[in-house]
Amino acid sequence: GQNIDQPTEMTATEGAIVQINCTYQTSGFNGLFWYQQHAGEAPTFLSYNVLDGLEEKGRFSSFLRRSKGYSYLLLKELQMKDSASYLCAVRDSNYQLIWGAGTKLIIKP
Amino acid sequence: IAGITQAPTSQILAAGRRMTLRCTQDMRHNAMYWYRQDLGLGLRLIHYSNTAGTTGKGEVPDGYSVSRANTDDFPLTLASAVPSQTSVYFCASSEASGSSYEQYFGPGTRLTVT
Repeated sequence: GQNIDQPTEMTATEGAIVQINCTYQTSGFNGLFWYQQHAGEAPTFLSYNVLDGLEEKGRFSSFLRRSKGYSYLLLKELQMKDSASYLCAVRDSNYQLIWGAGTKLIIKP
Repeated sequence: IAGITQAPTSQILAAGRRMTLRCTQDMRHNAMYWYRQDLGLGLRLIHYSNTAGTTGKGEVPDGYSVSRANTDDFPLTLASAVPSQTSVYFCASSEASGSSYEQYFGPGTRLTVT
């Protein structure tokens, strides 16, 4: 079967750095996405990786290592508004997105 | 309209009733999707459409049907609602169904079946 694993919940301090891990087992791989979802709102796109390595976008970076079925999202200089769920999704061989259950990130002052 | 709209925002529905959730996008995206999101589970694909006139089944299609008569609209119908269909439903669209295209989500419909 297909499976995406992420920690259920993480806590971090304002101004700090946090790394959210995602491991996957899917039938085929055509890219990995990270989305942010604030409570009661729709998911919004953060990043896309299809090749191994690090993609940086301001305070957010995403890393992929395909041979390990592994990705992480790195958030720097955390702000209170970063409190949200972070969803990892893999596009499989049928080009459909398989979603993890999400990691709820709690930021404390 | 900017992006994707969904209606209604929320609904309480008696079991056995028929219900259509509406979704409209103004981005001229070819691909559209319906997901349900339940606590503790990832988004699960119900149905999708890669282009107007075509539809496909996702991971959890039973009890749901869709149509794609034009590019903009992608309604989801529950023929006879059951309590297990209580969920938050998200419609999404992407420029195409290829690998690098991100999906844009509507605000969601919160459905409770009693």
